[in-house]
Amino acid sequence: EPEVTQTPSHQVTQMGQEVILRCVPISNHLYFYWYRQILGQKVEFLVSFYNNEISEKSEIFDDQFSVERPDGSNFTLKIRSTKLEDSAMYFCASKIRTSGTDTQYFGPGTRLTVL
Amino acid sequence: AQSVSQHNHHVILSEAASLELGCNYSYGGTVNLFWYVQYPGQHLQLLLKYFSGDPLVKGIKGFEAEFIKSKFSFNLRKPSVQWSDTAEYFCAVNAGDNQGGKLIFGQGTELSVKP
Repeated sequence: EPEVTQTPSHQVTQMGQEVILRCVPISNHLYFYWYRQILGQKVEFLVSFYNNEISEKSEIFDDQFSVERPDGSNFTLKIRSTKLEDSAMYFCASKIRTSGTDTQYFGPGTRLTVL
Repeated sequence: AQSVSQHNHHVILSEAASLELGCNYSYGGTVNLFWYVQYPGQHLQLLLKYFSGDPLVKGIKGFEAEFIKSKFSFNLRKPSVQWSDTAEYFCAVNAGDNQGGKLIFGQGTELSVKP
């Protein structure tokens, strides 16, 4: 069964550094997402991406964040200047169509630790 | 704004006990409702979802959930749990009129099943 994959599984960085989290969505999916979960808190929506542009973003997704689909397979989340509070598990998800009823398939997550 | 509340943070059961995990949401319009499960060390997986029709939905591994519109609830049930059901369970909703379908998650319920 096709799966969403994410790399790396764990990223440690210094505050102020740029990080890029990578995701490979399921190949025929059209909608892509990033969510994050700070330890002990809810899974929170960051951004959705469709047709090569941001479809919706949350208040968390400020100018320090950007997303890109640089080729036909990868979907990346960049944090330009990391802060301590960016430490979290970041989940990528994808779904096949533009319907709210469709299932979002999640990747295993990247644990980001900002020191 | 939409929100989701899961009543129990940690539930401990013995094998063969019955399970009910509560989920309430706040949103005035049409919603799609989901239960995801995260087994230790694995990614979020869909257990079941509801978007229309019979309010009692059946999912994988013997789980079911009932949508009660008047109570804004979507509780997850299983008649007899197994040790392998030990996991974290997340209730999530999205607005039915949102094509992008961003998910709003509850805080999760950790289920521990004692053999």
